[in-house]
Amino acid sequence: DTAVSQTPKYLVTQMGNDKSIKCEQNLGHDTMYWYKQDSKKFLKIMFSYNNKELIINETVPNRFSPKSPDKAHLNLHINSLELGDSAVYFCASSLNWAGVETQYFGPGTRLLVL
Amino acid sequence: GEDVEQSLFLSVREGDSSVINCTYTDSSSTYLYWYKQEPGAGLQLLTYIFSNMDMKQDQRLTVLLNKKDKHLSLRIADTQTGDSAIYFCAEGTQTGANNLFFGTGTRLTVIP
Repeated sequence: DTAVSQTPKYLVTQMGNDKSIKCEQNLGHDTMYWYKQDSKKFLKIMFSYNNKELIINETVPNRFSPKSPDKAHLNLHINSLELGDSAVYFCASSLNWAGVETQYFGPGTRLLVL
Repeated sequence: GEDVEQSLFLSVREGDSSVINCTYTDSSSTYLYWYKQEPGAGLQLLTYIFSNMDMKQDQRLTVLLNKKDKHLSLRIADTQTGDSAIYFCAEGTQTGANNLFFGTGTRLTVIP
């Protein structure tokens, strides 16, 4: 009965590789997010999608490309991985985009680039 | 997981000070954060405090930490209508990358 799930939980890869992180929510929410958590635990929003449409696209290298095949899924693809991409990536969802809705977070994906 | 608790609602008049409170249980917390969520936006980091500090001031924001009581507060001076949002307290430790625990959020409503 997991609400927001992410796979994989851990990802170790070499510099230059391309990798994807998947996120799924079974809450029936319309809005999904990707956050990056840096070494000081600061959460920074990267992208937000509402009903499969991109809403927020913060200053993120274009090596990062989100894809939302349907409103229950928001995947994050990263090309040409760099050392600085090592972080924990959190997916989240909220009921909708209008108004202020509580966000529910996934468990995070720890990415280590060697 | 750890417990991070906040009251759900707070209403203040424009120009007054707002105080949002948070209690947490993990005594090994290293960082404590305040995030703001505005309508239609993601979580934005407002400010943070290291656990070895007891106060931090940043313009209209004052963070107070009582480590003994595990109590964190955020004071917003001269609250404006644009401050209306949900405010999340979060605690983090260095003992694992995923150890970031959020409170339920406090919905602040500023009355003109």
